[in-house]
Amino acid sequence: QITLKESGPTLVKPTQTLTLTCTFSGFSLSTPGVGVGWVRQTPGKAMEWLALIYWDDDKRYTPSLKNRLTITKDTSETQVVLRMTNMDPVDTGAYYCVHRPAVATLKHFDYWGQGTLVAVSS
Amino acid sequence: EIVLTQSPGTLSLSPGERATLSCRASHSFRNSYIAWYQHKPGQAPSLLIYDTSSRAAGTPARFSGSGSGTDFTLTISRLEPEDFAVYYCQHYGGSILYSFGQGTKLEVK
Repeated sequence: QITLKESGPTLVKPTQTLTLTCTFSGFSLSTPGVGVGWVRQTPGKAMEWLALIYWDDDKRYTPSLKNRLTITKDTSETQVVLRMTNMDPVDTGAYYCVHRPAVATLKHFDYWGQGTLVAVSS
Repeated sequence: EIVLTQSPGTLSLSPGERATLSCRASHSFRNSYIAWYQHKPGQAPSLLIYDTSSRAAGTPARFSGSGSGTDFTLTISRLEPEDFAVYYCQHYGGSILYSFGQGTKLEVK
């Protein structure tokens, strides 16, 4: 059974860096094709894909936020971390961790975490 | 960059009725990488349909997906009380690997 759970601060100040952790189980990030990513939901942009890291450490980012985002996986390969720099109130929203299936021809997210709410305010 | 526009923004129907949700792409694409998700308040979004018309594991048969080119549709043949939620379409491809529509809220009339 695949599960993903997000953790991180609920409140960050403008200009600070947000660090979110996705802890997952039920699959291995070493399996060819597998990916773990982040999607957020904000009042301004509804659902927005942010970043994805593949089993082979290939990383992809949404172009508009690429300069602010870093996605990494830890050595135990049971966690994926997203860092977003220079946070702004418009970044307030729910952040979801997602699983991309191993099959290369499947281009969707089949499992989602419950999400974590992040508010950006001074 | 493909922009997905969902319509209507809000759909008010009664249980037992048929729901038709639209997802229109800004321009045509050759692949069939359209997925649909259901999102209920306080819950994780869940995958319903992938590859335009394939039902995900556990998706009831009353949900179906169709379309090609720029026009894609999610149909719920006969609404159950648990189907009232927000629905998002998603496309894969282009500079933004995964793009989402703005959502359609399906509410009880």
